[in-house]
Amino acid sequence: KQEVTQIPAALSVPEGENLVLNCSFTDSAIYNLQWFRQDPGKGLTSLLLIQSSQREQTSGRLNASLDKSSGRSTLYIAASQPGDSATYLCAALNAGKSTFGDGTTLTVKP
Amino acid sequence: DAGVTQSPTHLIKTRGQQVTLRCSPKSGHDTVSWYQQALGQGPQFIFQYYEEEERQRGNFPDRFSGHQFPNYSSELNVNALLLGDSALYLCASSFLGLGQSTEAFFGQGTRLTVV
Repeated sequence: KQEVTQIPAALSVPEGENLVLNCSFTDSAIYNLQWFRQDPGKGLTSLLLIQSSQREQTSGRLNASLDKSSGRSTLYIAASQPGDSATYLCAALNAGKSTFGDGTTLTVKP
Repeated sequence: DAGVTQSPTHLIKTRGQQVTLRCSPKSGHDTVSWYQQALGQGPQFIFQYYEEEERQRGNFPDRFSGHQFPNYSSELNVNALLLGDSALYLCASSFLGLGQSTEAFFGQGTRLTVV
């Protein structure tokens, strides 16, 4: 059974700081790993998708890496802004089913 | 492209009642998955529909059932509602290409409150 853990559960940083969010998973036989952003009471917005054959993906100030052998993925956010404040979730896809972590709630202070 | 749309956005029901939630997938997608998200937790997989059949199911009781229509839209039905069923219900769509789902896109969710 796949289990996904995200650490830390909450993070508060000043504006402009670079930061890393962590995601670990127990079953390395994943098809892909996807990072999402969720604003309070809203649905999920897809940020980055990394296929199992890839090591990283980049979109603007975001960079996600994947290390299947160690069961880890990281989401790097450069030059954080107050608008980045949200909950960030990672999901591992195995056999057609996505397993989510409980997320990291990020607060970027002006 | 309207993306994934869910209805209704909010719903209040009484214990013991039944509820139906609806989802229209993103254009070009053929697979719909449903998730339950309790406050402060990550989404939990309920089930996935493809070609009008339930393809995968998570650890949810039979009170949770679903359906997929020929146009790929889907319904989630919950019978005999419990207070613990109060949650945000999310629908995700994807394309089942070479046997594995591609990038999943989520709707804005239906907030169900059971009183």
